[in-house]
Amino acid sequence: DAKTTQPNSMESNEEEPVHLPCNHSTISGTDYIHWYRQLPSQGPEYVIHGLTSNVNNRMASLAIAEDRKSSTLILHRATLRDAAVYYCILRDGSNYQLIWGAGTKLIIKP
Amino acid sequence: DTGVSQNPRHKITKRGQNVTFRCDPISEHNRLYWYRQTLGQGPEFLTYFQNEAQLEKSRLLSDRFSAERPKGSFSTLEIQRTEQGDSAMYLCASSPWGASQPQHFGDGTRLSIL
Repeated sequence: DAKTTQPNSMESNEEEPVHLPCNHSTISGTDYIHWYRQLPSQGPEYVIHGLTSNVNNRMASLAIAEDRKSSTLILHRATLRDAAVYYCILRDGSNYQLIWGAGTKLIIKP
Repeated sequence: DTGVSQNPRHKITKRGQNVTFRCDPISEHNRLYWYRQTLGQGPEFLTYFQNEAQLEKSRLLSDRFSAERPKGSFSTLEIQRTEQGDSAMYLCASSPWGASQPQHFGDGTRLSIL
């Protein structure tokens, strides 16, 4: 059972920032927050993950609420190549499984 | 750096036939995972290996599904007596050992049952 809630779809304009929300009110202390994205006809691609603190990498930033019940994936400047389905997943530190929801379909308008 | 490789990319077969898919993980990764994905859904976990040991197989969809990872390198997923409902994308992923290590996915094998 998916433990995260995401909007079904979002639209954004090219070259603007995108904030993708995720709610995970039942998160436990050992759950990491992972984000993956999947472009059409490709396998999922790892984006970023974090536990408590905000995280940055070359692809995106992850902002985690202080109570950890929600998080936001931030794409700083969206391009057409960022159009994909974005999945927010909780993963227990001792658990091998990723349990996926339906994700958010991100549409980028030129 | 070569990623996870899956073969074939597409497989079309008649109902009742057996099919086998291959996954070559990233070489230094000792964990390997198989998932199934149907249209409009996120991937669904099937099974996982640590080196050559299959540590979880209770999520395999039926006894027609089996997976192997001889010598802890490549892995195969076999479906016997295929059914219409087996049509899906089969994804393989690998990761290093570690509590929060991300999984790296191949581009999958798309199975179509006629």
